[in-house]
Amino acid sequence: GDSVTQTEGPVTVSESESLIINCTYSATSIAYPNLFWYVRYPGEGLQLLLKVITAGQKGSSRGFEATYNKETTSFHLQKASVQESDSAVYYCALGGDSNYQLIWGSGTKLIIKP
Amino acid sequence: NAGVIQTPRHKVTGKGQEATLWCEPISGHSAVFWYRQTIVQGLEFLTYFRNQAPIDDSGMPKERFSAQMPNQSHSTLKIQSTQPQDSAVYLCASSPGGGRRDTQYFGPGTRLLVL
Repeated sequence: GDSVTQTEGPVTVSESESLIINCTYSATSIAYPNLFWYVRYPGEGLQLLLKVITAGQKGSSRGFEATYNKETTSFHLQKASVQESDSAVYYCALGGDSNYQLIWGSGTKLIIKP
Repeated sequence: NAGVIQTPRHKVTGKGQEATLWCEPISGHSAVFWYRQTIVQGLEFLTYFRNQAPIDDSGMPKERFSAQMPNQSHSTLKIQSTQPQDSAVYLCASSPGGGRRDTQYFGPGTRLLVL
């Protein structure tokens, strides 16, 4: 079936250090997967961080980036230097051909140490 | 733009009571989605409307759950005879067209607790 697996949290990183949150997907019933990273900051709703709908492309936002790798079925989230304000829960999600139903990873809570 | 509005933000019901959750999508968006989030199951798709018409309710529990979109400015999710296992955060999202390239914009969620 279709599924998303991401790094189990919490993940603790010191401020200004680099970050990678792994995301791999299985899209057995989806011909053209779309990949998303959503984020939920404390006290706020889910919001889109970045999305990539074409294999091989890279998405970026707020210093984060992720590359859609069809060969390894991965969409890892990276940031070169994290800030305390990046503390949040990050969700990797997979969209289908019609995109309307998102399939979610379990979420990764990121804690930034000052 | 106020974003997706969900009311109430918190609801506590007794077992067997009915719960109605409301969602107001972003003005101009034609697609509305409902998801449920629990610690055990994570985020799960429930149902989807496009131009007020139900398109896919494959994620909805077959009993006790129903969703409607009587007009373009709001959708409701109704749970009859609530059970403790219905306790979850219910998320509503809207998107401009529900298409492959559209971003879904989420509301803050309604936290339902069934005692």
